[in-house]
Amino acid sequence: GAVVSQHPSRVICKSGTSVKIECRSLDFQATTMFWYRQFPKQSLMLMATSNEGSKATYEQGVEKDKFLINHASLTLSTLTVTSAHPEDSSFYICSAPDSSNYGYTFGSGTRLTVV
Amino acid sequence: DQQVKQNSPSLSVQEGRISILNCDYTNSMFDYFLWYKKYPAEGPTFLISISSIKDKNEDGRFTVFLNKSAKHLSLHIVPSQPGDSAVYFCAASDGGATNKLIFGTGTLLAVQP
Repeated sequence: GAVVSQHPSRVICKSGTSVKIECRSLDFQATTMFWYRQFPKQSLMLMATSNEGSKATYEQGVEKDKFLINHASLTLSTLTVTSAHPEDSSFYICSAPDSSNYGYTFGSGTRLTVV
Repeated sequence: DQQVKQNSPSLSVQEGRISILNCDYTNSMFDYFLWYKKYPAEGPTFLISISSIKDKNEDGRFTVFLNKSAKHLSLHIVPSQPGDSAVYFCAASDGGATNKLIFGTGTLLAVQP
């Protein structure tokens, strides 16, 4: 079945640095990728939609200059958290629509801790 | 604005009994609904889905019911097993319009042996 590989699975970084999270579709082409974040004991909140070859669209309240999204190819989308702060610590996860019966394939998530 | 809500943050059920998880939505453009099971620090695991043209879909121990007029869906798990203990999310999509998947707030299910 469709697989989305997400890396890294966990990362610890210092305040003020930037962190890049990658999501690759391994056996299908993902023209669209959705990026979510989840705070402890809360829902998965949609942050933005990346589209191959065009600018990402961000949900209301999400800072596009802080969360840079690039969809460089049909198999790769990246989320860069710029100038990270402790409040950016969260679980980030990507998802791509696919043609399987499930409809959506998820990455395994990235636990970001900013210290 | 929470478009998909799960009003019960937690549910405790005895092993062998039925678990019923509920979900309400507000956006009438949603036409495809999914249920996921999730553990901390992992991606969601797909369980079952239903299209808005149906009112019921069954897969083994899992059955999803959709009431479009009430904008309500529910997931029935029977019989419940201790391994079913996890957080369950319902999610909704507007299909081809944006294809976005919007998640509910989640329900923590605990199945007691």
